[in-house]
Amino acid sequence: QVHLVQSGAEVKKSGASVKVSCKASGHTFSNYAIHWVRQAPGQRLEWVGWINAGNGKTKYSQRFQGRATMTRDTSASTVYMELTSLTSEDSAVYYCAKVQPDFEAFDIWGQGTMVTVSS
Amino acid sequence: DIVMTQSPLSLPVTPGEPASISCRSSQSLLHSNGYNYLAWYLQKPGKSPQLLIYLGSNRASGVPVRFTGSGSGTDFTLKISRVEADDVGVYYCMHTLQTPFTFGGGTKVEIK
Repeated sequence: QVHLVQSGAEVKKSGASVKVSCKASGHTFSNYAIHWVRQAPGQRLEWVGWINAGNGKTKYSQRFQGRATMTRDTSASTVYMELTSLTSEDSAVYYCAKVQPDFEAFDIWGQGTMVTVSS
Repeated sequence: DIVMTQSPLSLPVTPGEPASISCRSSQSLLHSNGYNYLAWYLQKPGKSPQLLIYLGSNRASGVPVRFTGSGSGTDFTLKISRVEADDVGVYYCMHTLQTPFTFGGGTKVEIK
């Protein structure tokens, strides 16, 4: 069974950057498409972007283009999401999630990482 | 971007009674391969979302048979035949037809 384990909660100042990690178990990390989704208080779930864990190719939502960067370390079976120029509107729980290709849906989610941005 | 609209916002239900949630998309989610790229998730309090239904009508592994997804194109429904106490939480629909993937606003199911 695949598991995604995320890094712990972060508290940042406005204007700073945050980097969240998502470590995958399982033997086929390079086959994974890992997506990032965030959930701000009182807001609907919002898709941030995704990374192909095999070739490192990425695609971001227009809303995060230029501010979000997703990378991966295949030796550690870990993907990272960095978000720069943080504002209070970036305070949210950030989830990584794996796509099951046959399902075209997220079948496995990480436990979430709370990011709090204060001024 | 495709806009996903869910209703109702809140759904109080009596255990053993049926429940139904609607999800509408601003454009068709029917892919040329014949599948609807629509999934349903349940987010229990304090937990990550969990997959219930994929490709419009397929139950994910371990999902009880009382959950049924239906619909095509722009109109979809999630039905719970007999609600149990364990079904409380917020239900979301999400499309994966194209990026950006987008979610419905959620339907909060609570026990009366």
